[in-house]
Amino acid sequence: RKEVEQDPGPFNVPEGATVAFNCTYSNSASQSFFWYRQDCRKEPKLLMSVYSSGNEDGRFTAQLNRASQYISLLIRDSKLSDSATYLCVVNPYTDKLIFGTGTRLQVFP
Amino acid sequence: GAVVSQHPSWVICKSGTSVKIECRSLDFQATTMFWYRQFPKQSLMLMATSNEGSKATYEQGVEKDKFLINHASLTLSTLTVTSAHPEDSSFYICSASWLSSGRTDTQYFGPGTRLTVL
Repeated sequence: RKEVEQDPGPFNVPEGATVAFNCTYSNSASQSFFWYRQDCRKEPKLLMSVYSSGNEDGRFTAQLNRASQYISLLIRDSKLSDSATYLCVVNPYTDKLIFGTGTRLQVFP
Repeated sequence: GAVVSQHPSWVICKSGTSVKIECRSLDFQATTMFWYRQFPKQSLMLMATSNEGSKATYEQGVEKDKFLINHASLTLSTLTVTSAHPEDSSFYICSASWLSSGRTDTQYFGPGTRLTVL
């Protein structure tokens, strides 16, 4: 089983739609969790950190379910500029980050 | 704040040559720097972790003699791909972090270096 698993997508949604991504992780001792955004041929950029039961930042909401070992990312009112690959990232127990393969989102007009 | 630069942004070289990639933290002192590699349509894979002034810790399957890492200062780490071959062609990304309240899990990424070996 992969340490971090994501549905690769792509998710094709119209502008204004709400879309949700899920991610599961295998190490129950994992301490911190992140969502990164990666545009094509660019480096990942931190979108949100998820440290406890979840948090919200504008149109983006991240939730953590420790019992089921998954985190989710909800994007409301999708914009064309949200088109990117969203990476689920987990810090298992050291200073290392484990990246999922990413979920590709394409928002169309 | 927390800006990380990489140089060069892209490089094309002949098989058998060596390529050096620099990673700099511009506005903070990085206690730890990480080197990742990303092949097309795949996830970032950690290659090695380096702390300033000490030897890098390589992930399983990464040849330390092929991928030389030097972290001589708190703002600079270099990755040298020695005797590069076409299968080394990839997107190499560094990240940097600093110890804050006992955590180093916030990493700031450089823009990446795209290496093509002919």
